[in-house]
Amino acid sequence: KAGVTQTPRYLIKTRGQQVTLSCSPISGHRSVSWYQQTPGQGLQFLFEYFSETQRNKGNFPGRFSGRQFSNSRSEMNVSTLELGDSALYLCASSLDPGGITEAFFGQGTRLTVV
Amino acid sequence: AQTVTQSQPEMSVQEAETVTLSCTYDTSENNYYLFWYKQPPSRQMILVIRQEAYKQQNATENRFSVNFQKAAKSFSLKISDSQLGDTAMYFCAFMKWVQGAQKLVFGQGTRLTINP
Repeated sequence: KAGVTQTPRYLIKTRGQQVTLSCSPISGHRSVSWYQQTPGQGLQFLFEYFSETQRNKGNFPGRFSGRQFSNSRSEMNVSTLELGDSALYLCASSLDPGGITEAFFGQGTRLTVV
Repeated sequence: AQTVTQSQPEMSVQEAETVTLSCTYDTSENNYYLFWYKQPPSRQMILVIRQEAYKQQNATENRFSVNFQKAAKSFSLKISDSQLGDTAMYFCAFMKWVQGAQKLVFGQGTRLTINP
């Protein structure tokens, strides 16, 4: 069974631009979560989607948004990029049968804003 | 708010030794899960071991085991017979159910180096 796939692996953008990151969950997994990882702040929760609906959102500005498609694939978008948005963005999928289950992570997208 | 604290930013041991990574957490909830994740240089976050809060028995996965002290809100990871491939960042994480969704809260991580 294929794991969680994130594309692209690396991305370089300039300030003010926008970016879209993609995440394909493990087949059958309906919950997709996004996390931002930086040396200073560590791993922080961005948002979680289930059946195309955002169920939970972390403490990030409105420039960070996401969506989920009917096949459970998810995208996150960051508009008006700032230098501080440089980070590793991790996506995790889980089965979510109605209770807590373990999350499986992708290899992440390394975003560099210059 | 829930917090997870890993008090050891870095640790280093010799191959085949046993090492224990510390983690404490703060929560008022009674039903939650705890995890240890490993992140090698490849960046892939890999689940090492999980512990359900309602279970008193400590979880064990081969060379990895935990010491779960619910009253003390402590969740340490013990790695026995350490191997070079164990070199990685280790994150302790707390999972809770929020607004019908599960959410992971991570500690700051411990960088573990296994020396030959």
